[in-house]
Amino acid sequence: GAVVSQHPSRVICKSGTSVKIECRSLDFQATTMFWYRQFPKKSLMLMATSNEGSKATYEQGVEKDKFLINHASLTLSTLTVTSAHPEDSSFYICSARSLSGGLTDTQYFGPGTRLTVL
Amino acid sequence: RKEVEQDPGPFNVPEGATVAFNCTYSNSASQSFFWYRQDCRKEPKLLMSVYSSGNEDGRFTAQLNRASQYISLLIRDSKLSDSATYLCVDSSASKIIFGSGTRLSIRP
Repeated sequence: GAVVSQHPSRVICKSGTSVKIECRSLDFQATTMFWYRQFPKKSLMLMATSNEGSKATYEQGVEKDKFLINHASLTLSTLTVTSAHPEDSSFYICSARSLSGGLTDTQYFGPGTRLTVL
Repeated sequence: RKEVEQDPGPFNVPEGATVAFNCTYSNSASQSFFWYRQDCRKEPKLLMSVYSSGNEDGRFTAQLNRASQYISLLIRDSKLSDSATYLCVDSSASKIIFGSGTRLSIRP
């Protein structure tokens, strides 16, 4: 299956700092990438949909100025958590959908980034 | 009503048993569904697509019931390695909606 990588896999930072997470599709071009967060024993919550070359679409309740998303190429999307606070500590997962972009296309998940804000 | 709803479980069954769980969806126009499994502290991995005619992949069978708006996953001859959380996904609308997951635990 297709491979999606995320970096870093784990990050611990101080409150007030910014953290950038990269999501790459390694063997296919992704027109659309999705960013999720998941709290312990909870389901994935979609934060935003990122389309290459255009602004991300954020879900209700997700602050776009706090969670900056850049999708600069067909293989890379970044999520920057700005001025992180302890309540931002979570498991952040990206996923990518293939170039054909059909709604029925499978999306492939990255391995996730575990963020801990002290 | 939640857009995609699952029994959180946990389902605790002995190895070798058959187990089934359902997932209900609220959008009657939805047509595209998937089952993912997620191991603890890992990302979800695609298990199988759900076709309107039903589909089978080894020990796993997925069904779609449009009249009652639910999808199901049946696991036969369960293995210890099947222990995980199973997420159903409605991928029909402009966004992809995950259920909260059903936890399955297979005991020896």
